Amino acid sequence: DAKTTQPPSMDCAEGRAANLPCNHSTISGNEYVYWYRQIHSQGPQYIIHGLKNNETNEMASLIITEDRKSSTLILPHATLRDTAVYYCIVRVDGGNQFYFGTGTSLTVIP
Amino acid sequence: DVKVTQSSRYLVKRTGEKVFLECVQDMDHENMFWYRQDPGLGLRLIYFSYDVKMKEKGDIPEGYSVSREKKERFSLILESASTNQTSMYLCASSLWPGGTSVPYEQYFGPGTRLTVT
Repeated sequence: DAKTTQPPSMDCAEGRAANLPCNHSTISGNEYVYWYRQIHSQGPQYIIHGLKNNETNEMASLIITEDRKSSTLILPHATLRDTAVYYCIVRVDGGNQFYFGTGTSLTVIP
Repeated sequence: DVKVTQSSRYLVKRTGEKVFLECVQDMDHENMFWYRQDPGLGLRLIYFSYDVKMKEKGDIPEGYSVSREKKERFSLILESASTNQTSMYLCASSLWPGGTSVPYEQYFGPGTRLTVT
């Protein structure tokens, strides 16, 4: 089944872009990649999803490589409130389950 | 907005007690999920339900059971709580995914931090 790997932690200076990478080399052809984040003591919150093309919304941008084996979530101007654990997620075998992994703990530094 | 609520934010129980964690969603979602989250292990799926009275085991069902008598409510039951079940428990809901090429979002509740002493 499709799984994801992410670095365990990253730091980013406030106001700079935060680039969070994710490998999902076994993702199937029509499976979306989803990004969620979890601020301390809260439930995970949806950020963005993508299939093949790059995507942007009010929270972030998502860059997906042409071979779809990896993606990068970009927070263009990180703020202290973006400090959270970021999960890159795919569905398990195209079913109802998400594979979360352990995510990347992003710390935005003043 | 989708709302997923959980009955308690914090809960303290004794070893051997029967524990009920309740989750309610207000968007008529078919799917509901229970996860637990532990440091260094991320979110792990305990059980999910894709319809009333239907359930499927997730990755770590041992020591847990679930009940879904109504579409909006999904309960997680610890028949005899143990200290290794001390954890953050997260409930989520979603629409039926409808195929791999259809975007699919899970909506999460705020979590219940359970401590078993």
